Amino acid sequence: KNQVEQSPQSLIILEGKNCTLQCNYTVSPFSNLRWYKQDTGRGPVSLTIMTFSENTKSNGRYTATLDADTKQSSLHITASQLSDSASYICVVSARGGSYIPTFGRGTSLIVHP
Amino acid sequence: ETGVTQTPRHLVMGMTNKKSLKCEQHLGHNAMYWYKQSAKKPLELMFVYSLEERVENNSVPSRFSPECPNSSHLFLHLHTLQPEDSALYLCASSQLAGLGPDTQYFGPGTRLTVL
Repeated sequence: KNQVEQSPQSLIILEGKNCTLQCNYTVSPFSNLRWYKQDTGRGPVSLTIMTFSENTKSNGRYTATLDADTKQSSLHITASQLSDSASYICVVSARGGSYIPTFGRGTSLIVHP
Repeated sequence: ETGVTQTPRHLVMGMTNKKSLKCEQHLGHNAMYWYKQSAKKPLELMFVYSLEERVENNSVPSRFSPECPNSSHLFLHLHTLQPEDSALYLCASSQLAGLGPDTQYFGPGTRLTVL
């Protein structure tokens, strides 16, 4: 069964600090992995998308890594800002024309001043 | 602004009511999606439309009925819902559908409460 597990479930950090969110998956055969940011009361917004051949991808202060061998991904946030407070969702899609991606439950990040 | 709009943003309905959710995308995409997001649970894909044709119905109860009159509009018709259907309903669009890495753009969602 395809699954995506994210950790931690929630995280509180001080403004300016770095943090790393984890995503482990069992989706097979792997096609791509996306990280989304979802602010409270809004729809998710794509941060990064990585295919099998990509190990790292950056989007400003967000850097995602992918280890397809161990089926793990991480999202690193540098110099956190109050606006980074949100839920971060890992989504993995399988190859083969399936329209159904597998979503993680998300990590809730709170950045305090 | 993501280019995907949803109305209404909030909806409260009784179990015997009939209502519809509307989604419109201004991005020229060919695929549209309905998702359900319940508290403490992952997003659940409900329906996928590609070029106005339904290509996926993810075991959704018949009390949810989608409609895609054209590639820019998507509706979700609701009738005789249950309290457990209360959730955030998200619409998304993408250029392709299931054909490779393809970023989905989400609307702000409709917060539905069923009494």
